Amino acid sequence: GAVVSQHPSWVICKSGTSVKIECRSLDFQATTMFWYRQFPKQSLMLMATSNEGSKATYEQGVEKDKFLINHASLTLSTLTVTSAHPEDSSFYICSASAGGLSLANEKLFFGSGTQLSVL
Amino acid sequence: KQEVTQIPAALSVPEGENLVLNCSFTDSAIYNLQWFRQDPGKGLTSLLLIQSSQREQTSGRLNASLDKSSGRSTLYIAASQPGDSATYLCAVVAAGNKLTFGGGTRVLVKP
Repeated sequence: GAVVSQHPSWVICKSGTSVKIECRSLDFQATTMFWYRQFPKQSLMLMATSNEGSKATYEQGVEKDKFLINHASLTLSTLTVTSAHPEDSSFYICSASAGGLSLANEKLFFGSGTQLSVL
Repeated sequence: KQEVTQIPAALSVPEGENLVLNCSFTDSAIYNLQWFRQDPGKGLTSLLLIQSSQREQTSGRLNASLDKSSGRSTLYIAASQPGDSATYLCAVVAAGNKLTFGGGTRVLVKP
């Protein structure tokens, strides 16, 4: 199956710093990538939908100025947590679809996730 | 707004027993339903995808059924093994091109 690589796997940073997380589709082109956030023992919550070459679409309640998403190519999307605070500590997961914009008939492939801890 | 619920939240069984995981969703207007496996601190692995027109999908020891009209899906895992211990998530795709996840069922298979 298709492979999605996410880096780093974990990161610890000081409050106020920014952290960048990368999501790459290794063997397919992903027009659309998705970013999720997951708190311990809870399910995944969609943060934003990232489309190559255009602005990301953020879910209600997600601050676009705090969670900057860039989808500069068909194989790379990045999530930057700006001025991170302890409440931003969470598990962040990206996913990508090889089938373009519609998920009606396509599987999503997920990265391995990034555990962010903000001190 | 689509809501997806998984019951039970946690399940512990002895090795060899069959597993039955339940998923329900409030809006039956879905395109497909997917089951995923998540190991601790890891991403998701897709297990099965059932299109809205299908009733079930099978892969090895896994079988998933879908009753769209009643908003339910069940994942069966036959002859469970300790390696099946993980969190299982179901998710539906509906209008808006988004995956809505359930809360997951944490499974522990004891040797």
